[in-house]
Amino acid sequence: AQTVTQSQPEMSVQEAETVTLSCTYDTSENNYYLFWYKQPPSRQMILVIRQEAYKQQNATENRFSVNFQKAAKSFSLKISDSQLGDTAMYFCAFGGTSYGKLTFGQGTILTVHP
Amino acid sequence: KAGVTQTPRYLIKTRGQQVTLSCSPISGHRSVSWYQQTPGQGLQFLFEYFSETQRNKGNFPGRFSGRQFSNSRSEMNVSTLELGDSALYLCASSNRAVEGTGELFFGEGSRLTVL
Repeated sequence: AQTVTQSQPEMSVQEAETVTLSCTYDTSENNYYLFWYKQPPSRQMILVIRQEAYKQQNATENRFSVNFQKAAKSFSLKISDSQLGDTAMYFCAFGGTSYGKLTFGQGTILTVHP
Repeated sequence: KAGVTQTPRYLIKTRGQQVTLSCSPISGHRSVSWYQQTPGQGLQFLFEYFSETQRNKGNFPGRFSGRQFSNSRSEMNVSTLELGDSALYLCASSNRAVEGTGELFFGEGSRLTVL
């Protein structure tokens, strides 16, 4: 069974600064996806960024980038130039070989202060 | 393109009752998954349906069931409600037919309160 661990229950950052959210996972599978999802107070989960395990290059989406360390089973999210709209709960998730199942971490509440 | 639609958004039930939640996936998506979100347990996978067939199931008691219709819409049912069933129930859809879980698109959820 896979496990996903987010060790930071809460984080805060000043607007325009950079913040990094941590995530580690455990799996015996070789082919998998990793995701960061954002859940704002309105509750709808939105995909922030995804990484395929077979790709060595770290994924980047505008201000969001990841540091994927496959051997260490680490998958951190870096948010650059933080904006007030980035305030949300962030979930790290693992998608393996099973159908429709993502394994989520416990989440990190990120607050961006003006 | 319309997103994943869940109804109802909020509902209150009493212990022992049953509840049915509905989910309409993104047009063209044939896979629908259900998750339970609680403050204590986080997000937990309930089950996944594809073309009216349950392909995967999480570790929930038999009181939790689901089904999918030919138009890919899905329902989940919880019978004999318990206080611990109070949660946000999230539905997610994808267009992935083969094994493995790629990107899921989530609805806004149905907030169930059991009194």
